[in-house]
Amino acid sequence: DAGVIQSPRHEVTEMGQEVTLRCKPISGHNSLFWYRQTMMRGLELLIYFNNNVPIDDSGMPEDRFSAKMPNASFSTLKIQPSEPRDSAVYFCASSFSGPLNTGELFFGEGSRLTVL
Amino acid sequence: AQSVTQLDSHVSVSEGTPVLLRCNYSSSYSPSLFWYVQHPNKGLQLLLKYTSAATLVKGINGFEAEFKKSETSFHLTKPSAHMSDAAEYFCVVSDTVLSNTGNQFYFGTGTSLTVIP
Repeated sequence: DAGVIQSPRHEVTEMGQEVTLRCKPISGHNSLFWYRQTMMRGLELLIYFNNNVPIDDSGMPEDRFSAKMPNASFSTLKIQPSEPRDSAVYFCASSFSGPLNTGELFFGEGSRLTVL
Repeated sequence: AQSVTQLDSHVSVSEGTPVLLRCNYSSSYSPSLFWYVQHPNKGLQLLLKYTSAATLVKGINGFEAEFKKSETSFHLTKPSAHMSDAAEYFCVVSDTVLSNTGNQFYFGTGTSLTVIP
């Protein structure tokens, strides 16, 4: 398996522009997580999906952020409009979880976003 | 409520000496516990996991951790540090519960390991 695939790996954009980050989870996994990592705030959970349904989006900073998972093999995280303080590395991770079974998280390589 | 405390934000060791990274957790249920490593500009990689089998867990690159329920600890150790071990380490807890909403993962704040030549 190719692992969790994220794109783009790097993005540089100007304030006010729309940014879309993409994630392909590992086939067969039923949970997908979006994290943001910065030096100041460390690793933060933004949102997670189970069976394509958003379960907890309490970590989404504000209405400028939105995430979708239209099917089991694809998810997007969108920022519109982007601001300099959104500059961070965004990680997608997936896992398989079921009753009495916790699989580990598998992380993508991350998308490094710079908003000028 | 579930939470993880990594007792040291920075640890510095000399090459060839033992490594100890400390982690305490709180969990209302039977926990699964993990250690992840993150090298600079990389994603997080699983080092090892505990899921209610043997309490001493062996992982990759010579690391191991012992689950101690009475102490609610899951400390990470390695007998002899290598330069390539310099990285950020995260302790993670997840509850194994009957749930149709999936399992959440709770991360510690990380421990930065420096290895001195």
